Amino acid sequence: EVQLVESGGGLVQPGGSLRLSCAASGFSFSNHWMSWVRQAPGKGLEWVAIIKGDGSEIYYVDSVRGRFTISRDNAKNSLYLQMNSLRDDDTAVYYCARGPAGWSDYWGQGTLVTVSS
Amino acid sequence: QSALTQPASVSGSPGQSITISCTGTSSDVGGYNYVAWYQQHPGKAPKLMIYDVSNRPSGVSNRFSGSKSGNTASLTISGLQAEDEADYYCSSYTSSRTRVFGGGTKLTVL
Repeated sequence: EVQLVESGGGLVQPGGSLRLSCAASGFSFSNHWMSWVRQAPGKGLEWVAIIKGDGSEIYYVDSVRGRFTISRDNAKNSLYLQMNSLRDDDTAVYYCARGPAGWSDYWGQGTLVTVSS
Repeated sequence: QSALTQPASVSGSPGQSITISCTGTSSDVGGYNYVAWYQQHPGKAPKLMIYDVSNRPSGVSNRFSGSKSGNTASLTISGLQAEDEADYYCSSYTSSRTRVFGGGTKLTVL
Protein backbone atom coordinates (compact mmCIF):
# COMPACT_ATOMS: atom_id res chain seq x y z
CA GLU A 1 0.00 0.00 0.00
CA VAL A 2 1.34 3.39 -1.01
CA GLN A 3 1.73 5.71 1.96
CA LEU A 4 2.98 9.29 2.18
CA VAL A 5 3.34 10.83 5.63
CA GLU A 6 4.28 14.48 6.01
CA SER A 7 5.82 16.01 9.12
CA GLY A 8 7.59 19.16 10.22
CA GLY A 9 4.79 21.69 10.08
CA GLY A 10 4.14 24.20 12.83
CA LEU A 11 4.06 27.86 13.80
CA VAL A 12 6.91 30.06 12.58
CA GLN A 13 7.45 33.82 12.54
CA PRO A 14 7.66 35.80 9.31
CA GLY A 15 11.16 35.60 7.92
CA GLY A 16 11.77 32.27 9.64
CA SER A 17 12.57 28.83 8.27
CA LEU A 18 11.01 25.39 8.42
CA ARG A 19 11.85 22.01 6.92
CA LEU A 20 9.08 19.65 5.90
CA SER A 21 9.60 15.92 5.44
CA CYS A 22 7.58 13.27 3.66
CA ALA A 23 8.17 9.59 4.40
CA ALA A 24 7.20 7.34 1.52
CA SER A 25 6.49 3.62 1.58
CA GLY A 26 4.80 0.93 -0.48
CA PHE A 27 6.40 1.76 -3.83
CA SER A 28 9.76 2.19 -5.50
CA PHE A 29 10.40 5.76 -4.37
CA SER A 30 13.40 6.47 -6.58
CA ASN A 31 11.40 5.72 -9.73
CA HIS A 32 8.86 8.47 -9.20
CA TRP A 33 8.66 12.23 -9.55
CA MET A 34 7.46 13.83 -6.32
CA SER A 35 5.76 17.16 -5.70
CA TRP A 36 4.77 19.51 -2.91
CA VAL A 37 1.33 21.09 -3.22
CA ARG A 38 -0.13 23.55 -0.72
CA GLN A 39 -3.57 24.78 0.23
CA ALA A 40 -4.11 27.99 2.18
CA PRO A 41 -7.00 27.88 4.68
CA GLY A 42 -10.29 27.94 2.81
CA LYS A 43 -8.51 28.35 -0.54
CA GLY A 44 -7.66 26.23 -3.54
CA LEU A 45 -4.69 24.04 -4.37
CA GLU A 46 -1.37 25.55 -5.41
CA TRP A 47 1.45 23.47 -6.87
CA VAL A 48 4.78 24.39 -5.23
CA ALA A 49 7.64 22.27 -6.56
CA ILE A 50 8.58 18.98 -8.19
CA ILE A 51 11.67 16.78 -8.28
CA LYS A 52 12.53 13.92 -10.59
CA GLY A 53 13.18 10.44 -9.22
CA ASP A 54 16.96 10.76 -9.41
CA GLY A 55 16.90 14.41 -8.33
CA SER A 56 18.27 15.61 -11.67
CA GLU A 57 15.38 17.90 -12.51
CA ILE A 58 13.68 20.38 -10.20
CA TYR A 59 11.05 23.02 -10.89
CA TYR A 60 9.32 25.62 -8.71
CA VAL A 61 6.33 27.92 -8.84
CA ASP A 62 7.49 31.53 -9.23
CA SER A 63 6.26 32.61 -5.78
CA VAL A 64 8.67 30.30 -3.91
CA ARG A 65 11.67 30.15 -6.26
CA GLY A 66 14.76 31.31 -4.38
CA ARG A 67 13.14 30.80 -0.97
CA PHE A 68 12.14 27.11 -1.01
CA THR A 69 14.29 24.09 -1.86
CA ILE A 70 12.90 20.67 -2.70
CA SER A 71 15.16 17.66 -2.23
CA ARG A 72 15.01 13.92 -1.70
CA ASP A 73 16.98 11.10 -0.13
CA ASN A 74 16.19 7.92 -2.03
CA ALA A 75 18.11 5.80 0.46
CA LYS A 76 15.68 6.96 3.14
CA ASN A 77 12.59 7.07 0.88
CA SER A 78 12.09 10.65 1.93
CA LEU A 79 11.14 13.93 0.30
CA TYR A 80 11.92 17.32 1.82
CA LEU A 81 10.97 20.96 1.47
CA GLN A 82 13.28 23.53 3.02
CA MET A 83 11.36 26.78 3.41
CA ASN A 84 13.24 30.00 4.13
CA SER A 85 12.20 33.66 4.34
CA LEU A 86 8.67 32.56 5.15
CA ARG A 87 5.84 35.04 4.61
CA ASP A 88 2.29 35.26 5.91
CA ASP A 89 0.97 34.04 2.55
CA ASP A 90 2.95 30.81 2.86
CA THR A 91 0.48 29.72 5.56
CA ALA A 92 -1.12 26.53 4.25
CA VAL A 93 -1.48 22.80 4.53
CA TYR A 94 1.44 21.31 2.61
CA TYR A 95 0.88 17.98 0.85
CA CYS A 96 3.50 15.74 -0.65
CA ALA A 97 2.25 13.88 -3.69
CA ARG A 98 3.55 11.24 -6.08
CA GLY A 99 3.57 11.65 -9.83
CA PRO A 100 4.95 13.66 -12.75
CA ALA A 101 4.17 17.29 -13.51
CA GLY A 102 0.91 16.35 -15.21
CA TRP A 103 -0.76 14.71 -12.22
CA SER A 104 -0.38 13.23 -8.73
CA ASP A 105 -1.91 9.86 -7.98
CA TYR A 106 -1.14 9.52 -4.26
CA TRP A 107 -1.21 12.27 -1.65
CA GLY A 108 -0.24 12.46 2.00
CA GLN A 109 -2.59 13.76 4.67
CA GLY A 110 -0.82 17.12 4.78
CA THR A 111 1.03 19.14 7.40
CA LEU A 112 -0.03 22.63 8.49
CA VAL A 113 2.44 25.50 8.30
CA THR A 114 1.37 28.72 10.01
CA VAL A 115 3.43 31.87 9.49
CA SER A 116 2.50 34.47 12.05
CA SER A 117 4.03 36.80 14.57
CA GLN B 1 1.58 31.53 -14.03
CA SER B 2 -2.14 32.30 -13.75
CA ALA B 3 -4.56 29.78 -12.30
CA LEU B 4 -6.87 27.95 -14.65
CA THR B 5 -10.47 29.23 -14.67
CA GLN B 6 -13.23 27.09 -13.20
CA PRO B 7 -16.78 28.02 -12.19
CA ALA B 8 -17.01 28.65 -8.47
CA SER B 9 -19.97 26.34 -8.05
CA VAL B 10 -22.21 23.89 -9.86
CA SER B 11 -25.17 21.89 -8.66
CA GLY B 12 -27.36 19.02 -9.77
CA SER B 13 -29.93 16.57 -8.52
CA PRO B 14 -29.24 12.91 -7.86
CA GLY B 15 -29.17 10.95 -11.09
CA GLN B 16 -28.49 13.99 -13.25
CA SER B 17 -25.27 14.82 -15.10
CA ILE B 18 -23.13 17.89 -14.58
CA THR B 19 -20.10 19.29 -16.36
CA ILE B 20 -17.32 21.42 -14.88
CA SER B 21 -15.19 23.48 -17.23
CA CYS B 22 -11.53 24.41 -16.88
CA THR B 23 -10.14 27.12 -19.15
CA GLY B 24 -6.49 27.84 -19.65
CA THR B 25 -4.24 28.94 -22.48
CA SER B 26 -2.20 27.44 -25.29
CA SER B 27 0.72 27.32 -22.82
CA ASP B 28 -1.05 24.84 -20.58
CA VAL B 29 -4.43 23.20 -21.24
CA GLY B 30 -4.38 23.81 -24.98
CA GLY B 31 -0.78 22.82 -25.48
CA TYR B 32 -0.62 19.45 -23.75
CA ASN B 33 -2.79 16.42 -23.08
CA TYR B 34 -1.81 16.51 -19.42
CA VAL B 35 -4.99 17.73 -17.78
CA ALA B 36 -6.02 16.11 -14.50
CA TRP B 37 -9.03 16.39 -12.22
CA TYR B 38 -9.13 15.95 -8.45
CA GLN B 39 -11.95 15.49 -5.95
CA GLN B 40 -11.53 16.86 -2.45
CA HIS B 41 -13.90 16.30 0.44
CA PRO B 42 -13.69 18.69 3.43
CA GLY B 43 -10.63 18.05 5.56
CA LYS B 44 -9.32 15.37 3.23
CA ALA B 45 -6.47 15.14 0.76
CA PRO B 46 -7.28 15.49 -2.94
CA LYS B 47 -8.05 12.32 -4.90
CA LEU B 48 -7.06 11.89 -8.53
CA MET B 49 -10.16 11.25 -10.66
CA ILE B 50 -8.93 11.84 -14.23
CA TYR B 51 -5.44 12.12 -15.71
CA ASP B 52 -4.10 12.85 -19.19
CA VAL B 53 -7.42 14.52 -20.11
CA SER B 54 -9.62 11.45 -20.14
CA ASN B 55 -8.03 8.51 -18.34
CA ARG B 56 -9.47 7.14 -15.11
CA PRO B 57 -7.20 5.66 -12.44
CA SER B 58 -8.06 2.19 -11.25
CA GLY B 59 -10.96 2.27 -8.80
CA VAL B 60 -12.53 5.51 -10.03
CA SER B 61 -16.14 5.15 -11.10
CA ASN B 62 -16.88 5.27 -14.84
CA ARG B 63 -19.47 7.93 -14.01
CA PHE B 64 -16.52 10.34 -14.17
CA SER B 65 -15.23 11.31 -17.60
CA GLY B 66 -12.93 13.98 -18.99
CA SER B 67 -12.48 15.72 -22.31
CA LYS B 68 -10.74 18.70 -23.89
CA SER B 69 -11.38 21.09 -26.73
CA GLY B 70 -8.85 23.78 -27.46
CA ASN B 71 -7.91 25.61 -24.28
CA THR B 72 -10.85 24.25 -22.27
CA ALA B 73 -11.06 20.92 -20.49
CA SER B 74 -14.20 19.47 -18.96
CA LEU B 75 -15.13 16.98 -16.26
CA THR B 76 -18.51 15.30 -16.57
CA ILE B 77 -20.13 13.39 -13.73
CA SER B 78 -23.10 11.30 -14.74
CA GLY B 79 -25.68 9.70 -12.45
CA LEU B 80 -24.92 12.17 -9.66
CA GLN B 81 -24.79 10.68 -6.18
CA ALA B 82 -24.77 12.34 -2.79
CA GLU B 83 -21.17 11.19 -2.23
CA ASP B 84 -20.06 13.22 -5.26
CA GLU B 85 -20.63 16.44 -3.32
CA ALA B 86 -17.12 17.87 -2.96
CA ASP B 87 -14.68 20.40 -4.35
CA TYR B 88 -13.21 19.63 -7.76
CA TYR B 89 -9.94 20.97 -9.10
CA CYS B 90 -8.44 20.75 -12.55
CA SER B 91 -4.72 20.98 -13.22
CA SER B 92 -2.50 21.13 -16.27
CA TYR B 93 1.12 20.71 -17.20
CA THR B 94 2.59 23.97 -18.48
CA SER B 95 5.22 25.11 -20.96
CA SER B 96 7.41 26.06 -17.97
CA ARG B 97 7.50 22.37 -16.97
CA THR B 98 5.40 23.21 -13.93
CA ARG B 99 1.82 22.48 -12.96
CA VAL B 100 -1.04 24.93 -12.54
CA PHE B 101 -4.34 24.30 -10.78
CA GLY B 102 -7.76 25.76 -11.33
CA GLY B 103 -9.43 27.77 -8.59
CA GLY B 104 -11.77 24.91 -7.72
CA THR B 105 -15.47 24.22 -8.14
CA LYS B 106 -17.84 23.36 -5.33
CA LEU B 107 -20.31 20.70 -6.43
CA THR B 108 -23.60 20.61 -4.55
CA VAL B 109 -25.91 17.62 -4.92
CA LEU B 110 -29.40 18.97 -4.33
